[in-house]
Amino acid sequence: EVQLLESGGDLVQPGGSLRVSCAASGFTFGDYSMSWVRQAPGKGLEWVSLIDTTGGNTYYSDSVKGRFAISRDNSKNTLYVQMNRLRAEDTAIYYCVKGGRSWYYFDYWGQGTLVTVSS
Amino acid sequence: QSALTQPASVSGSPGQSITISCTGTSSDVGSYNLVSWYQQHPGKAPKLIIYEVIKRPSGISDRFSGSKSGNTASLTISGLQAEDEADYYCCSHGGSASFRVFGGGTKLTVV
Repeated sequence: EVQLLESGGDLVQPGGSLRVSCAASGFTFGDYSMSWVRQAPGKGLEWVSLIDTTGGNTYYSDSVKGRFAISRDNSKNTLYVQMNRLRAEDTAIYYCVKGGRSWYYFDYWGQGTLVTVSS
Repeated sequence: QSALTQPASVSGSPGQSITISCTGTSSDVGSYNLVSWYQQHPGKAPKLIIYEVIKRPSGISDRFSGSKSGNTASLTISGLQAEDEADYYCCSHGGSASFRVFGGGTKLTVV
Protein backbone atom coordinates (compact mmCIF):
# COMPACT_ATOMS: atom_id res chain seq x y z
CA GLU A 1 0.00 0.00 0.00
CA VAL A 2 1.38 3.38 -1.03
CA GLN A 3 1.83 5.75 1.90
CA LEU A 4 3.06 9.33 1.87
CA LEU A 5 3.56 10.95 5.26
CA GLU A 6 4.37 14.64 5.38
CA SER A 7 5.95 16.32 8.38
CA GLY A 8 7.47 19.63 9.33
CA GLY A 9 4.55 21.99 8.86
CA ASP A 10 4.66 24.88 11.32
CA LEU A 11 3.92 28.52 12.04
CA VAL A 12 6.66 30.70 10.55
CA GLN A 13 7.17 34.45 10.43
CA PRO A 14 7.19 36.24 7.08
CA GLY A 15 10.66 36.11 5.59
CA GLY A 16 11.47 32.93 7.48
CA SER A 17 12.43 29.47 6.30
CA LEU A 18 11.04 25.98 6.76
CA ARG A 19 11.82 22.48 5.49
CA VAL A 20 8.98 20.04 4.98
CA SER A 21 9.58 16.32 4.49
CA CYS A 22 7.64 13.40 3.07
CA ALA A 23 8.38 9.80 3.98
CA ALA A 24 7.28 7.39 1.27
CA SER A 25 6.58 3.67 1.48
CA GLY A 26 4.78 0.93 -0.39
CA PHE A 27 6.45 1.52 -3.76
CA THR A 28 9.93 1.79 -5.30
CA PHE A 29 10.49 5.46 -4.49
CA GLY A 30 13.37 5.98 -6.89
CA ASP A 31 11.28 4.89 -9.89
CA TYR A 32 8.80 7.78 -9.77
CA SER A 33 8.76 11.53 -10.05
CA MET A 34 7.45 13.36 -7.00
CA SER A 35 5.73 16.70 -6.55
CA TRP A 36 4.49 19.16 -3.99
CA VAL A 37 1.00 20.56 -4.46
CA ARG A 38 -0.47 23.12 -2.06
CA GLN A 39 -3.92 24.30 -1.10
CA ALA A 40 -4.50 27.60 0.66
CA PRO A 41 -7.33 27.59 3.21
CA GLY A 42 -10.66 27.42 1.37
CA LYS A 43 -8.95 27.64 -2.03
CA GLY A 44 -8.09 25.36 -4.91
CA LEU A 45 -5.07 23.22 -5.68
CA GLU A 46 -1.82 24.78 -6.87
CA TRP A 47 1.09 22.80 -8.26
CA VAL A 48 4.32 23.94 -6.59
CA SER A 49 7.22 21.80 -7.73
CA LEU A 50 8.25 18.51 -9.36
CA ILE A 51 11.44 16.46 -9.21
CA ASP A 52 12.37 13.64 -11.53
CA THR A 53 13.42 10.17 -10.41
CA THR A 54 17.10 10.94 -9.87
CA GLY A 55 16.73 14.51 -8.64
CA GLY A 56 18.63 15.74 -11.65
CA ASN A 57 15.75 17.82 -12.97
CA THR A 58 13.50 20.08 -10.92
CA TYR A 59 10.61 22.32 -11.92
CA TYR A 60 8.83 25.13 -10.09
CA SER A 61 5.77 27.30 -10.40
CA ASP A 62 6.48 30.98 -10.98
CA SER A 63 5.08 31.78 -7.54
CA VAL A 64 7.86 29.89 -5.71
CA LYS A 65 10.73 29.90 -8.20
CA GLY A 66 13.91 31.18 -6.57
CA ARG A 67 12.53 30.74 -3.04
CA PHE A 68 11.72 27.01 -2.78
CA ALA A 69 13.99 24.04 -3.47
CA ILE A 70 12.72 20.50 -3.95
CA SER A 71 15.02 17.55 -3.33
CA ARG A 72 14.89 13.84 -2.66
CA ASP A 73 16.95 11.17 -0.96
CA ASN A 74 16.23 7.88 -2.70
CA SER A 75 18.24 5.95 -0.11
CA LYS A 76 15.86 7.21 2.58
CA ASN A 77 12.66 7.19 0.46
CA THR A 78 12.14 10.80 1.42
CA LEU A 79 11.08 13.93 -0.45
CA TYR A 80 11.83 17.44 0.79
CA VAL A 81 10.98 21.02 0.06
CA GLN A 82 13.08 23.83 1.50
CA MET A 83 11.01 26.99 1.67
CA ASN A 84 12.82 30.32 2.04
CA ARG A 85 11.70 33.96 2.15
CA LEU A 86 8.21 32.79 3.09
CA ARG A 87 5.24 35.07 2.49
CA ALA A 88 1.73 35.17 3.90
CA GLU A 89 0.44 33.86 0.57
CA ASP A 90 2.49 30.68 1.04
CA THR A 91 0.13 29.69 3.86
CA ALA A 92 -1.39 26.38 2.78
CA ILE A 93 -1.63 22.66 3.25
CA TYR A 94 1.32 21.14 1.41
CA TYR A 95 0.64 17.76 -0.16
CA CYS A 96 3.35 15.29 -1.11
CA VAL A 97 2.28 13.66 -4.36
CA LYS A 98 3.57 10.64 -6.27
CA GLY A 99 3.81 10.85 -10.03
CA GLY A 100 2.18 8.24 -12.20
CA ARG A 101 3.89 5.97 -14.72
CA SER A 102 4.17 8.80 -17.22
CA TRP A 103 4.85 11.51 -14.56
CA TYR A 104 2.13 13.73 -16.12
CA TYR A 105 -0.41 12.93 -13.44
CA PHE A 106 -0.48 12.43 -9.67
CA ASP A 107 -1.67 9.02 -8.59
CA TYR A 108 -1.19 9.09 -4.80
CA TRP A 109 -1.45 11.97 -2.35
CA GLY A 110 -0.37 12.33 1.26
CA GLN A 111 -2.69 13.81 3.86
CA GLY A 112 -0.79 17.10 3.84
CA THR A 113 1.00 19.29 6.35
CA LEU A 114 -0.05 22.83 7.23
CA VAL A 115 2.38 25.69 6.79
CA THR A 116 1.24 28.99 8.26
CA VAL A 117 3.15 32.18 7.53
CA SER A 118 2.17 34.89 9.96
CA SER A 119 3.64 37.33 12.44
CA GLN B 1 0.87 30.48 -15.27
CA SER B 2 -2.89 31.03 -15.52
CA ALA B 3 -5.18 28.45 -13.99
CA LEU B 4 -7.45 26.40 -16.20
CA THR B 5 -11.07 27.58 -16.17
CA GLN B 6 -13.74 25.45 -14.51
CA PRO B 7 -17.29 26.35 -13.49
CA ALA B 8 -17.43 27.18 -9.81
CA SER B 9 -20.32 24.83 -9.18
CA VAL B 10 -22.58 22.27 -10.80
CA SER B 11 -25.46 20.29 -9.42
CA GLY B 12 -27.50 17.27 -10.32
CA SER B 13 -30.00 14.80 -8.91
CA PRO B 14 -29.27 11.19 -8.04
CA GLY B 15 -29.21 9.07 -11.17
CA GLN B 16 -28.61 11.99 -13.52
CA SER B 17 -25.46 12.79 -15.47
CA ILE B 18 -23.39 15.95 -15.20
CA THR B 19 -20.41 17.32 -17.09
CA ILE B 20 -17.69 19.58 -15.75
CA SER B 21 -15.66 21.54 -18.28
CA CYS B 22 -12.03 22.55 -18.03
CA THR B 23 -10.88 25.20 -20.49
CA GLY B 24 -7.27 25.98 -21.15
CA THR B 25 -5.31 27.22 -24.12
CA SER B 26 -3.46 25.88 -27.13
CA SER B 27 -0.34 25.84 -24.92
CA ASP B 28 -1.70 23.37 -22.38
CA VAL B 29 -4.99 21.46 -22.77
CA GLY B 30 -5.05 21.93 -26.53
CA SER B 31 -1.50 20.71 -27.10
CA TYR B 32 -1.33 17.60 -24.96
CA ASN B 33 -3.52 14.61 -24.15
CA LEU B 34 -2.31 14.95 -20.57
CA VAL B 35 -5.35 16.17 -18.65
CA SER B 36 -6.09 14.53 -15.33
CA TRP B 37 -9.00 14.92 -12.91
CA TYR B 38 -9.07 14.75 -9.13
CA GLN B 39 -11.90 14.35 -6.64
CA GLN B 40 -11.61 15.93 -3.19
CA HIS B 41 -14.04 15.41 -0.36
CA PRO B 42 -14.07 17.97 2.47
CA GLY B 43 -11.07 17.63 4.75
CA LYS B 44 -9.55 14.88 2.63
CA ALA B 45 -6.66 14.64 0.20
CA PRO B 46 -7.44 14.70 -3.51
CA LYS B 47 -7.86 11.41 -5.37
CA LEU B 48 -7.02 10.68 -9.00
CA ILE B 49 -10.08 9.68 -11.04
CA ILE B 50 -9.04 10.28 -14.68
CA TYR B 51 -5.61 10.58 -16.31
CA GLU B 52 -4.39 11.18 -19.85
CA VAL B 53 -7.82 12.59 -20.74
CA ILE B 54 -9.77 9.33 -20.85
CA LYS B 55 -8.06 6.68 -18.69
CA ARG B 56 -9.41 5.50 -15.34
CA PRO B 57 -7.14 4.18 -12.58
CA SER B 58 -7.88 0.78 -11.19
CA GLY B 59 -10.79 0.90 -8.76
CA ILE B 60 -12.43 4.00 -10.19
CA SER B 61 -16.04 3.50 -11.23
CA ASP B 62 -16.85 3.53 -14.94
CA ARG B 63 -19.46 6.16 -14.10
CA PHE B 64 -16.56 8.59 -14.41
CA SER B 65 -15.39 9.39 -17.94
CA GLY B 66 -13.21 12.01 -19.57
CA SER B 67 -12.98 13.62 -22.98
CA LYS B 68 -11.36 16.52 -24.78
CA SER B 69 -12.14 18.78 -27.69
CA GLY B 70 -9.74 21.51 -28.68
CA ASN B 71 -8.74 23.52 -25.65
CA THR B 72 -11.49 22.13 -23.43
CA ALA B 73 -11.47 18.90 -21.45
CA SER B 74 -14.55 17.49 -19.78
CA LEU B 75 -15.38 15.14 -16.93
CA THR B 76 -18.72 13.36 -17.07
CA ILE B 77 -20.24 11.60 -14.10
CA SER B 78 -23.18 9.38 -14.94
CA GLY B 79 -25.68 7.82 -12.53
CA LEU B 80 -24.96 10.47 -9.89
CA GLN B 81 -24.71 9.20 -6.33
CA ALA B 82 -24.71 11.09 -3.05
CA GLU B 83 -21.05 10.17 -2.47
CA ASP B 84 -20.06 11.96 -5.68
CA GLU B 85 -20.67 15.26 -3.91
CA ALA B 86 -17.18 16.75 -3.74
CA ASP B 87 -14.83 19.25 -5.33
CA TYR B 88 -13.34 18.31 -8.71
CA TYR B 89 -10.12 19.66 -10.18
CA CYS B 90 -8.60 19.29 -13.63
CA CYS B 91 -4.89 19.50 -14.28
CA SER B 92 -2.85 19.69 -17.46
CA HIS B 93 0.75 19.66 -18.56
CA GLY B 94 1.56 23.09 -19.89
CA GLY B 95 4.93 22.60 -21.51
CA SER B 96 7.87 24.69 -20.44
CA ALA B 97 5.77 27.80 -19.83
CA SER B 98 3.55 26.40 -17.08
CA PHE B 99 4.75 22.93 -16.31
CA ARG B 100 1.66 21.75 -14.48
CA VAL B 101 -1.49 23.83 -14.14
CA PHE B 102 -4.69 23.13 -12.18
CA GLY B 103 -8.18 24.37 -12.75
CA GLY B 104 -9.85 26.48 -10.10
CA GLY B 105 -12.07 23.60 -9.00
CA THR B 106 -15.78 22.80 -9.31
CA LYS B 107 -18.06 22.04 -6.40
CA LEU B 108 -20.53 19.30 -7.29
CA THR B 109 -23.73 19.23 -5.30
CA VAL B 110 -26.03 16.21 -5.51
CA VAL B 111 -29.48 17.52 -4.66
